[in-house]
Amino acid sequence: GNSVTQMEGPVTLSEEAFLTINCTYTATGYPSLFWYVQYPGEGLQLLLKATKADDKGSNKGFEATYRKETTSFHLEKGSVQVSDSAVYFCALSGTGGFKTIFGAGTRLFVKA
Amino acid sequence: EAGVAQSPRYKIIEKRQSVAFWCNPISGHATLYWYQQILGQGPKLLIQFQNNGVVDDSQLPKDRFSAERLKGVDSTLKIQPAKLEDSAVYLCASSLESSGNTIYFGEGSWLTVV
Repeated sequence: GNSVTQMEGPVTLSEEAFLTINCTYTATGYPSLFWYVQYPGEGLQLLLKATKADDKGSNKGFEATYRKETTSFHLEKGSVQVSDSAVYFCALSGTGGFKTIFGAGTRLFVKA
Repeated sequence: EAGVAQSPRYKIIEKRQSVAFWCNPISGHATLYWYQQILGQGPKLLIQFQNNGVVDDSQLPKDRFSAERLKGVDSTLKIQPAKLEDSAVYLCASSLESSGNTIYFGEGSWLTVV
C-alpha cells in the first residue's frame, strides 16, 4: 500500500545550521507530495508542495525536490532559526480516491 | 479568508462519558476531514466527507465514534462512550477537492479522557 517514512526525531540544531529532514514514500501512480509544519499548540499548515517529478517546492527558505527515481522528498533549509522549531510532517496525496497519508512527523529544536 | 473553525479547543471528560466536537470548514471546500492525532504521532484519518457523503471511514471506530456533515457544510464528531486511549487532538480539515489538493487544518480540539 501507499506509505510515507520520515526520519525520526528529535533533531536538535544550533541557529544558522543546515537542516535536512529525510522523507521517502511508496505509492502507485504519481502522487503529489507535501511538507506540513505544526508549531506548538497549533494545527498543521502547509509549508510547501510539489505535484510532479523534478518539481521543487519552496517557502520561507525551505526547499524540497520531488525525486521519483529515489522516491524521496527531503526537506532542506540552509540556515535555521529558533522560530523554525516545530514538528514537520511529510505527506502524499493523489487522484482517483488516493487519500492523503502523513508521516509520523519529525520534531525540530533550534537552539540560539 | 476565514480558516477552519473548531470547538471546543479543550475538553476533559471521564471515561465512558460522551463528547462532541464541531467543525466549520473553509467556505466552498467540498471535502471535510476528521483526523486523530495522538501525542508524538502523525494525523490518522478517521473520516472523510465529500459534500455530505462519506468517502472514507475505514479507520473510524464505529462502535463508539460517529460523524455527520449535514447540508454539506459544518460537521460534528461524537465519541460515546469515551475510552482512555481516545485522548488525542482531533483535527478538522478541509480542501477544495478530495485528491491531490492542499489540506487546510483547524487548530484542533484537545481531548483528555481521565
